[in-house]
Amino acid sequence: GAVVSQHPSRVICKSGTSVKIECRSLDFQATTMFWYRQFPKKSLMLMATSNEGSKATYEQGVEKDKFLINHASLTLSTLTVTSAHPEDSSFYICSANDRAYSNQPQHFGDGTRLSIL
Amino acid sequence: RKEVEQDPGPFNVPEGATVAFNCTYSNSASQSFFWYRQDCRKEPKLLMSVYSSGNEDGRFTAQLNRASQYISLLIRDSKLSDSATYLCVVGPYGQNFVFGPGTRLSVLP
Repeated sequence: GAVVSQHPSRVICKSGTSVKIECRSLDFQATTMFWYRQFPKKSLMLMATSNEGSKATYEQGVEKDKFLINHASLTLSTLTVTSAHPEDSSFYICSANDRAYSNQPQHFGDGTRLSIL
Repeated sequence: RKEVEQDPGPFNVPEGATVAFNCTYSNSASQSFFWYRQDCRKEPKLLMSVYSSGNEDGRFTAQLNRASQYISLLIRDSKLSDSATYLCVVGPYGQNFVFGPGTRLSVLP
């Protein structure tokens, strides 16, 4: 079945560091990818929708200059958390739709657990 | 009103019990419905799609009621391994699907 690969799975770094997370669709093309954040015991929160070849669409309250998204190809989207601080520590998950089957459920990456010290 | 709402939970049930979750959605134009399962500290994984006629997969039964705009998930003969958070997903809205907040299930020995 369709696979989405997310890397890295775990990041621990100092406050002020910028962290890049990659999301790749391995066997399908994804015009659109989604970035979610999940705090402990909370629900998934959509942060932004990443569109190949154009600017990402951010949800209300999500700072676009803080969370930089690049979707340079049909199989890769990146999320960069710039100048990360402890409050950015969270579980970040990407997902993608196979563009050939837009009505089908999303495929999720394994997630990235980010811890800022 | 939130787009997708679920039973607040948590549900604590003994092994072998039957448990049902409900999910309501606000957008009557919604066309696709799914149940996902998320284990602690893991990504959500598709459990099953929900079809208009209802569908069953082993111990799991999903139902859709378009008139009342809700979907349900029934789990029979609960196993310890069923303990997880169950997410209701509705869409698509453009390219996106909306996730419910999830209902946590704990199956107790």
